[in-house]
Amino acid sequence: QSVLTQPPSASGTPGQRVTISCSGSSSNIGSNIVSWYQQLPGTAPKVLIFNDNQRPSGVPDRFSGSKSGTSASLAISGLQSDDEADYYCAAWDDSLKGSWVFGGGTKLTVL
Amino acid sequence: QVHLVQSGAEVKKPGASVTVPCKTSGYTFTNYYLHWVRQAPGQGFEWMGMINPSDGRTSYAQNFQGRVTMTRDTSTSTVYMELSSLRSEDTAVYYCVLLDVWGKGTTVTVSS
Repeated sequence: QSVLTQPPSASGTPGQRVTISCSGSSSNIGSNIVSWYQQLPGTAPKVLIFNDNQRPSGVPDRFSGSKSGTSASLAISGLQSDDEADYYCAAWDDSLKGSWVFGGGTKLTVL
Repeated sequence: QVHLVQSGAEVKKPGASVTVPCKTSGYTFTNYYLHWVRQAPGQGFEWMGMINPSDGRTSYAQNFQGRVTMTRDTSTSTVYMELSSLRSEDTAVYYCVLLDVWGKGTTVTVSS
């Protein structure tokens, strides 16, 4: 059971906009920054969003992040076939000694 | 830029230990914490702990307390993660992570 809650799946057609949610609590998303990662099969995760809504250089502006209270979202606009991947949110959690917590991942299918 | 280089794969028997290295470059080694995260087959990510390369201080996830040891070698800018008393459930890809940069991962298979 993951600390952060994501929908297990999402889908869209090419060109569409899809949103993936990530729900947490006051000890993680509510008080710390959120990152989003894309994982293609058999590869290491790649950061898409850091500091809640910042994109590293090289990540298209089709990807955007937002946060409100204890929830965060990743939006992908102009959906492309190679966006088909697993997406994970992550945040530091201040409870106990502190730990890095993740969502369970959302498998995005481009129809 | 930051590079995290990990070895490819290890196969271990139940009860054994494994040490996974992560060689870093492209930044000042002692400036940032280095994390270890694992991913079992078909599963999500599990944080194992972190090490401060500056002084070697560590913080381990509760699930791994007593079984994991993280160390560093400042002369080679390499961090190590040792996991002991391996069981089949430890079969996973083990990643070292610096800020938001991930190594390619080391596959550890535990099988008799």
